[in-house]
Amino acid sequence: GQNIDQPTEMTATEGAIVQINCTYQTSGFNGLFWYQQHAGEAPTFLSYNVLDGLEEKGRFSSFLSRSKGYSYLLLKELQMKDSASYLCAVSSNDYKLSFGAGTTVTVRA
Amino acid sequence: EPEVTQTPSHQVTQMGQEVILRCVPISNHLYFYWYRQILGQKVEFLVSFYNNEISEKSEIFDDQFSVERPDGSNFTLKIRSTKLEDSAMYFCASSEADRDKTEAFFGQGTRLTVV
Repeated sequence: GQNIDQPTEMTATEGAIVQINCTYQTSGFNGLFWYQQHAGEAPTFLSYNVLDGLEEKGRFSSFLSRSKGYSYLLLKELQMKDSASYLCAVSSNDYKLSFGAGTTVTVRA
Repeated sequence: EPEVTQTPSHQVTQMGQEVILRCVPISNHLYFYWYRQILGQKVEFLVSFYNNEISEKSEIFDDQFSVERPDGSNFTLKIRSTKLEDSAMYFCASSEADRDKTEAFFGQGTRLTVV
């Protein structure tokens, strides 16, 4: 089975940095994804890690350690529009995604 | 930019009725998926479809559900004898069958309300 854990909620101030951790235990691994989801909308792709290390994409970075079953998403220079749910998802060998419950990030002025 | 499109955006149906949710995946994608998100809960995998057949399905995807690719562009999810607990947002997604480009792109979803 798949077990993906991430914190339920995080709050941060505009301009700050927030790190969202995700731990996983899955049968088969074909990569770890982070998606952003605003309320009532579809998940939108943010990042993909399949090898250990850090992937940087603008204000967002994602890290993976396969041996530890651990990833984090780093959001820098937070903006109000970054208030959303951030979903950690693991792809098993057949490309399907298993999602965590999501971390709701609230950015305050 | 290519996108996954879903219709309708909102469907209200009476309990016991059948509904068909429609999706047009991105044209060069080969993997298609249906996911479900009950209000306030996590996104759940229902089924994946590749090469004109189901490649994997979850425990949720029982005999009440079926998928079809009736032509070269549409991908449908049929739910028979709908129940109140089927009320959810249903997302269609598609991805390339490429180990370097496996990210799934999601449609905007169909909000199904069973009354």
